[in-house]
Amino acid sequence: GENVEQHPSTLSVQEGDSAVIKCTYSDSASNYFPWYKQELGKRPQLIIDIRSNVGEKKDQRIAVTLNKTAKHFSLHITETQPEDSAVYFCAAIGGTSYGKLTFGQGTILTVHP
Amino acid sequence: SAVISQKPSRDICQRGTSLTIQCQVDSQVTMMFWYRQQPGQSLTLIATANQGSEATYESGFVIDKFPISRPNLTFSTLTVSNMSPEDSSIYLCSAQDGYNQPQHFGDGTRLSIL
Repeated sequence: GENVEQHPSTLSVQEGDSAVIKCTYSDSASNYFPWYKQELGKRPQLIIDIRSNVGEKKDQRIAVTLNKTAKHFSLHITETQPEDSAVYFCAAIGGTSYGKLTFGQGTILTVHP
Repeated sequence: SAVISQKPSRDICQRGTSLTIQCQVDSQVTMMFWYRQQPGQSLTLIATANQGSEATYESGFVIDKFPISRPNLTFSTLTVSNMSPEDSSIYLCSAQDGYNQPQHFGDGTRLSIL
């Protein structure tokens, strides 16, 4: 089945800096890659996603890039703000997993004012 | 996106008892899932709740321990049976309307076993 590795496990940045979180996946047939933000005690919230026929997608300060050849995808947050502090999870749907998400281990992002 | 309501939001239970968690979606969805999230950890899929048929369980999860129902396209339940302290966790349901479509989560049920 699909395996997703996420790095780094913790990331600390100053307000206004950029943050990058990287994930690799194992199933070359995977075709959908969402990113979730989870604040303490709250539900995982979908913030951006990308499909395998697209190399990059942007939504205001966040962007996701996908490299199918290398089987990795990354989340980029620019001009970080303290409210960006949360746990971020990447995920992937494998080629034969019928919609089931496999999650990465999570990255704790802390943005210092 | 679909609004997913989950209840109870939290509970404290005695060892050996069972608890049923309900998940209600405000629109019909193709797929519903149940996850477990242990403190400080990622999400682990328990099972896919299939409408009108038995749930599909992931490795390490069995029907006797986690029976699941899905009587229609908007509702599902997860029962945690014969609970032990190791079952203390957050249980989340999610919904997705079609393969490779965005999947959204309920607020979760925080379960503590004494």
